Amino acid sequence: AQKVTQAQTEISVVEKEDVTLDCVYETRDTTYYLFWYKQPPSGELVFLIRRNSFDEQNEISGRYSWNFQKSTSSFNFTITASQVVDSAVYFCALSESPGAQKLVFGQGTRLTINP
Amino acid sequence: DAGVTQSPTHLIKTRGQQVTLRCSPKSGHDTVSWYQQALGQGPQFIFQYYEEEERQRGNFPDRFSGHQFPNYSSELTVHALSLGDSALYLCASSLPYRETYGYTFGSGTRLTVV
Repeated sequence: AQKVTQAQTEISVVEKEDVTLDCVYETRDTTYYLFWYKQPPSGELVFLIRRNSFDEQNEISGRYSWNFQKSTSSFNFTITASQVVDSAVYFCALSESPGAQKLVFGQGTRLTINP
Repeated sequence: DAGVTQSPTHLIKTRGQQVTLRCSPKSGHDTVSWYQQALGQGPQFIFQYYEEEERQRGNFPDRFSGHQFPNYSSELTVHALSLGDSALYLCASSLPYRETYGYTFGSGTRLTVV
């Protein structure tokens, strides 16, 4: 069975600090897909990134970066120079296919950026 | 371009009643999935509808049923409500079996069972 663990329930940092959100996953599939979503107070889940299991290249998008390591089954998310607008709940998720198949979510990390 | 629209936004029901939640997918999307998110937890997959049929189902009892209409909109009905059904219900739409970047989610319906 697939499982995603986000051990950090809540993180609080001061604005402009860097912060890393951890994600550890379990799956027996050799091909799988990892996602990060952001959930602001309004409730909708906002897609941030998708990664497939055969591409371990790290990715950077502005202040966001992702570190995928198959050897440790981890897909960590780093926000550089955090801003108050980054405050939200962040979810890591796993899917067995790239398309519209079911996502298995972690329990989420509530990130608070204090001014 | 309208995203995923869910109604109502909030709902209070009594134990034993049934409730129907509605979802209109993003324009151009034909697949609808439903997720339940309990307070402080990650979303859990309920089921997915495509071509008016249930294509996948998560570990939810038969009290949870769904429907998809020809215009791709969808309904989720929960029968015999229990306190444990209190949650945020998220609808997500997508194109099936494509290299899509996941779903487009709605803002959800907050269901409170008293």
